[in-house]
Amino acid sequence: GEDVEQSLFLSVREGDSSVINCTYTDSSSTYLYWYKQEPGAGLQLLTYIFSNMDMKQDQRLTVLLNKKDKHLSLRIADTQTGDSAIYFCAERPMDSSYKLIFGSGTRLLVRP
Amino acid sequence: NAGVTQTPKFRILKIGQSMTLQCTQDMNHNYMYWYRQDPGMGLKLIYYSVGAGITDKGEVPNGYNVSRSTTEDFPLRLELAAPSQTSVYFCASRGRQGITDTQYFGPGTRLTVL
Repeated sequence: GEDVEQSLFLSVREGDSSVINCTYTDSSSTYLYWYKQEPGAGLQLLTYIFSNMDMKQDQRLTVLLNKKDKHLSLRIADTQTGDSAIYFCAERPMDSSYKLIFGSGTRLLVRP
Repeated sequence: NAGVTQTPKFRILKIGQSMTLQCTQDMNHNYMYWYRQDPGMGLKLIYYSVGAGITDKGEVPNGYNVSRSTTEDFPLRLELAAPSQTSVYFCASRGRQGITDTQYFGPGTRLTVL
């Protein structure tokens, strides 16, 4: 079945790198996404990667995709206190282009 | 563009009451969605719509109804509210970003049923 799993919590010191991990089960997924949810707000798209790519870099964000292991990661370089939020990964299955399957979210806490 | 807007932001209901959560988008998107987010959990799809006049059930539709009479509006109706419906409700619409489609989310409605 479709399932996306993430660890629940990550704490890092300001200026360090953060790595948030995600595993998914649908190998036919076409796109994988990272969303950020700040307190009291809806989800906002941070970045995405197409399934035929291994890596995508976007300023401080690096997405790594290991299709063989169905593992997705988001690295945030030079993490700032403003990066404290919940991060969701999501997959878009090939057979359901309208639908996204979300993980349960990883709460990132950045300590000064 | 205002994007996706939702009202109200907060609401407390008594068991058995009914209410409608409003959602409007001004991006002319065809696809719209309703999700619920329970504490520590991901998003569960309640209903979605692929265009005006067309709606379909998601993973957790029981206890809810939707309608889509216009492209802009996608209200979610709760009949006979139950404590299990205490949650944060997000509306989203789907549109183009870069080379992919993605979902744009409203700010959410926090609902408590007592």
